[in-house]
Amino acid sequence: DAKTTQPTSMDCAEGRAANLPCNHSTISGNEYVYWYRQIHSQGPQYIIHGLKNNETNEMASLIITEDRKSSTLILPHATLRDTAVYYCIRAGGGNKLTFGTGTQLKVEL
Amino acid sequence: ETGVTQTPRHLVMGMTNKKSLKCEQHLGHNAMYWYKQSAKKPLELMFVYNFKEQTENNSVPSRFSPECPNSSHLFLHLHTLQPEDSALYLCASSQDNTKFSNQPQHFGDGTRLSIL
Repeated sequence: DAKTTQPTSMDCAEGRAANLPCNHSTISGNEYVYWYRQIHSQGPQYIIHGLKNNETNEMASLIITEDRKSSTLILPHATLRDTAVYYCIRAGGGNKLTFGTGTQLKVEL
Repeated sequence: ETGVTQTPRHLVMGMTNKKSLKCEQHLGHNAMYWYKQSAKKPLELMFVYNFKEQTENNSVPSRFSPECPNSSHLFLHLHTLQPEDSALYLCASSQDNTKFSNQPQHFGDGTRLSIL
């Protein structure tokens, strides 16, 4: 039970922002939202995580709704190399990650 | 370069062979993990180590035997495997995995294992 809901697949034009949604309506107060991605034949790559405030780093931005029931990962200028499976994971203390099936993002010219 | 190196990248073995997978992290982390990723299935956590001590075994069959001699190295010893054990085996590390930790895990690129 991955405990998050994500669309199976999304397409995005290169250079445009990719907005990947995630529903985690039963998230607990001490659980963080983590985002990872997995490019074909590689291990998962950590992108970003947050608790309740919006977060930004060099890779992406994470927008968490005020009620924390959903979040959106934003890749501001998607490139072909951002084509990957994106996983949204909720996890409490102890770093126990439960991966679901994620969203297959395809960035196209 | 993630700071987590796994060897070999590919391994083909018969069901009666004994082999080992190796993972090394250069991040100064204290927790290490083994995951299994079968075709078309989500990653499954197998084992967790924190400061060299095993803290989780997710009902993994005994034909998989982990070893963590220090915080930088993790091994997975394999013997008498079955065809359904063919999968991508991923290693990860994190600062620690104490109850209050929220530090991210960093993954290697895995060993692709094929059982003949």
